[in-house]
Amino acid sequence: QVQLVQSGAEVKKPGSSVKVSCKASGGTFRDFAISWVRQAPGQGLEWMGGIIPIFGTSNYAQKFQGRVTITADESTNTAYLEMSSLRSDDTAVYYCAKVSVLRYFDWFDPWGQGTLVTVSA
Amino acid sequence: EIVLTQSPGTLSLSPGERATLSCRASQSVISNYLAWYQQKPGQAPRLLIYDASTRATGIPDRFSGSGSGTDFTLTISRLEPEDFAVFYCQEYGSSPGTFGQGTKLDIK
Repeated sequence: QVQLVQSGAEVKKPGSSVKVSCKASGGTFRDFAISWVRQAPGQGLEWMGGIIPIFGTSNYAQKFQGRVTITADESTNTAYLEMSSLRSDDTAVYYCAKVSVLRYFDWFDPWGQGTLVTVSA
Repeated sequence: EIVLTQSPGTLSLSPGERATLSCRASQSVISNYLAWYQQKPGQAPRLLIYDASTRATGIPDRFSGSGSGTDFTLTISRLEPEDFAVFYCQEYGSSPGTFGQGTKLDIK
């Protein structure tokens, strides 16, 4: 049973960058993919992008292309989401989620516990 | 990009009642690749249904999904107190795999 554990909350200044981690236990990165989904306060869910670690390839929603980088370290079973040029409207909870097939997105199960990123001057 | 519209926005029911939540897609969902999630305050979403009608592991059989093409339904046959939450549908047949805006199910 795969579990995903994310890094802790972050407070960032506008214009800076943030890197959030997602460590998988109970399974091997070679068997699945990881997606990142964010949720602004009181809002719905938004797919940002995904990575297939065994292929080393990533794919991003058009909205985030050029500003988001998703990577993975197979040696530690950890995926990363890095976002640059942060704005106040990037304040959100960022979730990683397991994709059981080798696609950038599919149905998501399980999810990490979420990481709150607050962007404020 | 497929747009998913969920209705109603809020549904107020009592424990023991039947809940019917709708998810309508702006175009046909490939292979009925549609999932439903439940999210409680302060928690991550939990997968309930995938491929429109397959219950995820550990999900009680009072939850069922149906539909095809552009119209999908999540039914909770008899509401338990722990079922009240926000529910999202998600299509994953085409990029970028969008979510609906959610239906809040609250206690009447």
